[in-house]
Amino acid sequence: AQSVTQLGSHVSVSEGALVLLRCNYSSSVPPYLFWYVQYPNQGLQLLLKYTSAATLVKGINGFEAEFKKSETSFHLTKPSAHMSDAAEYFCAVSGSNDYKLSFGAGTTVTVRA
Amino acid sequence: EAGVTQFPSHSVIEKGQTVTLRCDPISGHDNLYWYRRVMGKEIKFLLHFVKESKQDESGMPNNRFLAERTGGTYSTLKVQPAELEDSGVYFCASSSLAGYVTDTQYFGPGTRLTVL
Repeated sequence: AQSVTQLGSHVSVSEGALVLLRCNYSSSVPPYLFWYVQYPNQGLQLLLKYTSAATLVKGINGFEAEFKKSETSFHLTKPSAHMSDAAEYFCAVSGSNDYKLSFGAGTTVTVRA
Repeated sequence: EAGVTQFPSHSVIEKGQTVTLRCDPISGHDNLYWYRRVMGKEIKFLLHFVKESKQDESGMPNNRFLAERTGGTYSTLKVQPAELEDSGVYFCASSSLAGYVTDTQYFGPGTRLTVL
């Protein structure tokens, strides 16, 4: 079985500051890991995914995440926050033979001017 | 290219009534998924179709929920009779013909269901 834990349900950052969203996973098999973002009144959009290739994964809108097996983590970062980054972010995991995604509880990001 | 669409966007019903949610996947996507987010909780998997066949329905909460995918195109999720705990946002997602586990799942905007 796979699961993820997102630390912090709300994160507030200043425009231009580092965005760091934490995700730890638990998996009995090699995991595939995903970060999704949901903007208001929209569906979930894939930011990036780890599929056992490079451990540092670059995604859209300047986001990246690093897979650290020793720490069972897949934290999401962006060097400089923009107002348009205000949204809810979800970390998700699936197993190597499992289509279904298991999501974390989500982290809402607000960006202060 | 049109994304995943869901109808209705909102539904408010009384306990004991029936509601049917519809999902239209991206054209050509054989894989279709239903997920649900109950207020304040995680998004949870409900079931997975490959074309018209149910590949995995391990997440369906009980037999009040019935999902169908006629002809392998759009899908419906019927809740009959609805209970208070069924309130939440129901998401549909689809992924490509390739059918690999790592294929991106594209999500619709969700249907917000409120049972009073």
